Amino acid sequence: GAVVSQHPSRVICKSGTSVKIECRSLDFQATTMFWYRQFPKQSLMLMATSNEGSKATYEQGVEKDKFLINHASLTLSTLTVTSAHPEDSSFYICSAPVYRDTEAFFGQGTRLTVV
Amino acid sequence: GENVEQHPSTLSVQEGDSAVIKCTYSDSASNYFPWYKQELGKGPQLIIDIRSNVGEKKDQRIAVTLNKTAKHFSLHITETQPEDSAVYFCAATGYSTLTFGKGTMLLVSP
Repeated sequence: GAVVSQHPSRVICKSGTSVKIECRSLDFQATTMFWYRQFPKQSLMLMATSNEGSKATYEQGVEKDKFLINHASLTLSTLTVTSAHPEDSSFYICSAPVYRDTEAFFGQGTRLTVV
Repeated sequence: GENVEQHPSTLSVQEGDSAVIKCTYSDSASNYFPWYKQELGKGPQLIIDIRSNVGEKKDQRIAVTLNKTAKHFSLHITETQPEDSAVYFCAATGYSTLTFGKGTMLLVSP
């Protein structure tokens, strides 16, 4: 089946630094990828939709200058958390649909801890 | 936009019992309803899905039913096992963006 690989699985960084998270579709091309944030014991909250070759679409309340998204190819989207603060600590997950209006496959998630 | 409600938030069963998780959705245009299982520290894994032209789908111990008139769909797990313990999310979409329920923590006791 379709596989989405996310890296790194865990990262600890100091306040004020930036962290990049990669999301790759391994056996299919993804013109669209989605980035979610998940707080402990809560559901997935869509942050933004990453579009290959164009700007990402951000959900209301998500700071686009803080969460930079780059979808440079049909198999790679990156999320960069800039000037990270402790409140940015969370579980970040990407997903990609194999076809439009069909199942989305998720990456393994990235546990970000900002100290 | 779409709104998905999921119940219960937690569900405890004995090994071998059945478990049922229910979801309702608001957008009649939604036509795809996947279910995901998420284990601690991992990304969600698709376990079963159903489309609006089908009323029921079964895969071994897991089944999903859909009632489009009532706008609700349910996940049924039979003969539960301790390894079924996880958080389960339902979702709905009519386009490419999934709307998730808040999740159900299923605990299966040996």
